[in-house]
Amino acid sequence: GDSVTQMEGPVTLSEEAFLTINCTYTATGYPSLFWYVQYPGEGLQLLLKATKADDKGSNKGFEATYRKETTSFHLEKGSVQVSDSAVYFCALKLGSQGNLIFGKGTKLSVKP
Amino acid sequence: GAGVSQSPSNKVTEKGKDVELRCDPISGHTALYWYRQRLGQGLEFLIYFQGNSAPDKSGLPSDRFSAERTGESVSTLTIQRTQQEDSAVYLCASSWTGTGVTGELFFGEGSRLTVL
Repeated sequence: GDSVTQMEGPVTLSEEAFLTINCTYTATGYPSLFWYVQYPGEGLQLLLKATKADDKGSNKGFEATYRKETTSFHLEKGSVQVSDSAVYFCALKLGSQGNLIFGKGTKLSVKP
Repeated sequence: GAGVSQSPSNKVTEKGKDVELRCDPISGHTALYWYRQRLGQGLEFLIYFQGNSAPDKSGLPSDRFSAERTGESVSTLTIQRTQQEDSAVYLCASSWTGTGVTGELFFGEGSRLTVL
């Protein structure tokens, strides 16, 4: 079935370090791909999305490129901040209807 | 409203009692979802409502769980005879669906359920 696999956490980085969180997917069709973020004590928020192959989603300095050939949607940021500490979820959705399928989440801690 | 609203934000109950959790989606959103997030875990899909179609109940973990939605408005998730393993944050989300949209989900802040 359709699924999302993302790297296990927790990930601990120093401020200004480079971040990559890997995400790969399995889907029967052509999904839209999403990264959601959950800051401590808050609800899930959409961070970025991409709807077709080679699209790049970006927001708040984060980027992810939809790679159909490798079925991946890795999240990157060039210089993380303490305020980026959160749990990051990769997700896919087939069409405008239907369920959003999540990965298990990756907890990021950024130290000053 | 401006966002998805859930109530109560916190609920503590005794094992064996029934609980009801409420979700008020974003106005105009045709789809509504319930997810469960246990401590330190990912999101577990429970149920999905789309317009007037029959809901997708494939994620409900047992027949103690049920949900209803009134038209394209409020939804209630009911857990009967609660067990300690039901302790979790229950998240509601809504989305706009239609041609040409990706249907991204907008989440409420969740209802934290603790079963003693």
